[in-house]
Amino acid sequence: DAKTTQPNSMESNEEEPVHLPCNHSTISGTDYIHWYRQLPSQGPEYVIHGLTSNVNNRMASLAIAEDRKSSTLILHRATLRDAAVYYCILSGFLVGSSNTGKLIFGQGTTLQVKP
Amino acid sequence: DVKVTQSSRYLVKRTGEKVFLECVQDMDHENMFWYRQDPGLGLRLIYFSYDVKMKEKGDIPEGYSVSREKKERFSLILESASTNQTSMYLCASSSRLLVHFGDGTRLSIL
Repeated sequence: DAKTTQPNSMESNEEEPVHLPCNHSTISGTDYIHWYRQLPSQGPEYVIHGLTSNVNNRMASLAIAEDRKSSTLILHRATLRDAAVYYCILSGFLVGSSNTGKLIFGQGTTLQVKP
Repeated sequence: DVKVTQSSRYLVKRTGEKVFLECVQDMDHENMFWYRQDPGLGLRLIYFSYDVKMKEKGDIPEGYSVSREKKERFSLILESASTNQTSMYLCASSSRLLVHFGDGTRLSIL
C-alpha cells in the first residue's frame, strides 16, 4: 500500500505563507492526493485534493511534483484558526488502483501558528 | 452538505460490555470507514465497507466487528470491551473523491 511521509510539526507566524510537504514515492497512477486537517475535538475536514495538476481553492493551494512522488499544501496567509493537524492522504477509487476504497493516512503535521 | 452523524460524542462503558457505535451518512456513499485515534498514533483504520453487507479488515480489527445492513448505516461493535479500547472513534464515508468524517465518539472503558 502506498504511504505518505510528513514532518511531525511545523511553525508559522500569523499572516505568513506556510508550505506543508508530503512525500508519497509509491503512489500509484490513479491515486488522488488529498489534504485534510483536524482541529481540536473535531473530525478531520477536507482541505483540497488533486491528481496531477496544481489546484487552488479558497482555503489553500496544492502543488504536485511532476513525478507525483511529493506534494505541498500551501496556506497563503496563516491565521490562528489554521492551527491544526494536517494529513496528507492517498486514495484511489478507480478500477485498477491498489488502494480502491481504502484511505491511507500519514502521521500528520501539527501546525502551530504564532501571533 | 454531506453529513456523517455518530450517535454519541461521549460514551462510558464497563469492561466486558458489548458496545455499539453507530454511524449514519446521508449522501448515498458506498464506502464507509471506522478509525480510532490515539495520541501519538494518528488515525488507524479498524474496518471499512464498500457496499452493503461487505466489509474488510483494516489495520487493527482485533476486538472489533462491524455491521452494514443498510447503505447509510455502518456500526462498529466491541464484542467485549476492554480498557485498551478507550479511544476516540471516527466514522467516515466517501464518494469517489471526497471523504467526510463525523465528529467522533470519545469512548471510555472503565
